[in-house]
Parts: sequence; C-alpha cells; structure tokens
Amino acid sequence: KNEVEQSPQNLTAQEGEFITINCSYSVGISALHWLQQHPGGGIVSLFMLSSGKKKHGRLIATINIQEKHSSLHITASHPRDSAVYICAVTLRGFGNEKLTFGTGTRLTIIP
Amino acid sequence: DGGITQSPKYLFRKEGQNVTLSCEQNLNHDAMYWYRQDPGQGLRLIYYSQIVNDFQKGDIAEGYSVSREKKESFPLTVTSAQKNPTAFYLCASSFGGSRQPQHFGDGTRLSIL
Repeated sequence: KNEVEQSPQNLTAQEGEFITINCSYSVGISALHWLQQHPGGGIVSLFMLSSGKKKHGRLIATINIQEKHSSLHITASHPRDSAVYICAVTLRGFGNEKLTFGTGTRLTIIP
Repeated sequence: DGGITQSPKYLFRKEGQNVTLSCEQNLNHDAMYWYRQDPGQGLRLIYYSQIVNDFQKGDIAEGYSVSREKKESFPLTVTSAQKNPTAFYLCASSFGGSRQPQHFGDGTRLSIL
C-alpha cells in the first residue's frame, strides 16, 4: 500500500464546476504539498500545508492532521486548470526534506 | 527571472551509452534533487544534495551518478548499468529543511534507441 493515496485517479468536469481532489496518507508528516503538472511535464508547487487551510485565487487546500487527509478544491473551474495534480508529503523525523509522492489525479475541464 | 533549467528537453540514448542530464538553478537554493517519473507511478527520488560537494542516494540510485561541484549545478548521469532508463526526469531545488517548498524544472524525457 502506498504511503500517499490520491482519489480520484481521473476526473472530468464541465467548466465552472467545483472540483475536489483528495489525498490520504498513512505516516506522520511535517508538511503536505500540492503540486500541479502541466501537459508538457513541468511541475509547479501550489501549496505547502502543515495545518488548517490555505487559499490562492480559485484554489483552496485543507488538511486534517488527525484524520491524515487533505483536499484540494478548485472553484469556478476553467479549461486551463486541466493538469495532473500531485499530493506529496514530507515525512516527520527524517531530518531532511525528502518527499513521498502520490500517483496524481488527472483533471480535465471541458469548455 | 529565477528558476531551474533542465536540458535537453528530449534525449535519446543508444544501448551501452552513458548520458548526462543538465540541471541549473539561479534561485540561490542550497538543496537540489533528481526524480524519475514513470507512467502510473509517483515521482521517485534518485539522488539529492543538501550542500555543495555532498550528495546522498535516494530510493532508486542504482545505475545513476551525480556531482555537485557548484551550488547552481547538479548534473545527473544515466549510466549503462541502468537497465530501464526510459523515463521522464525532473530536477528540483529548495532552500533546504522539511518545510521548504521545492521548485521544479520542466523535465527531460529520455528514450532508448
């Protein structure tokens, strides 16, 4: 079983819909990251969370440390949001910043 | 603009050849990383370096080598000992520490001829 699980694996939605992508992890962490991978392959860091909630534009990320769960929400989705969204965690107690990655959620927004 | 530059974007290797992937950053980051991405799998760490002239093996270091002679540069060599080198390779950097975000390059896609 992977230490980081994402759901769904694939998600197709109409433009304007509210999107939720989920991430669950099974180990103690010091931080959780949400990343966006564009069709060309480049990766952009969206959020880094250790507690609570963060918002940037139409993107919102939340984390529940007790339940070992995080969600990424996109409001008023747009075709340019189409990408692979990756959840990654920094394991607690390793003394370095090694990331463990989920396999990603492929999001397609249809105009 | 500061960022990470990976080159080339596409690379082809013949059987038995070593190839070197370039990664350069001008973000003044101390730490640099190499990841491998295969279809249906999460990114896996090959090597990382927290400081110049020092580096550590990641989860899948066999068949790869690195050097860190300058803060800005962290080249990855895929040796002939790597039996399945076809993959997408991503370089990243950060200021170091467990709560610093990593900044990624655009990747290099390596294929075997």
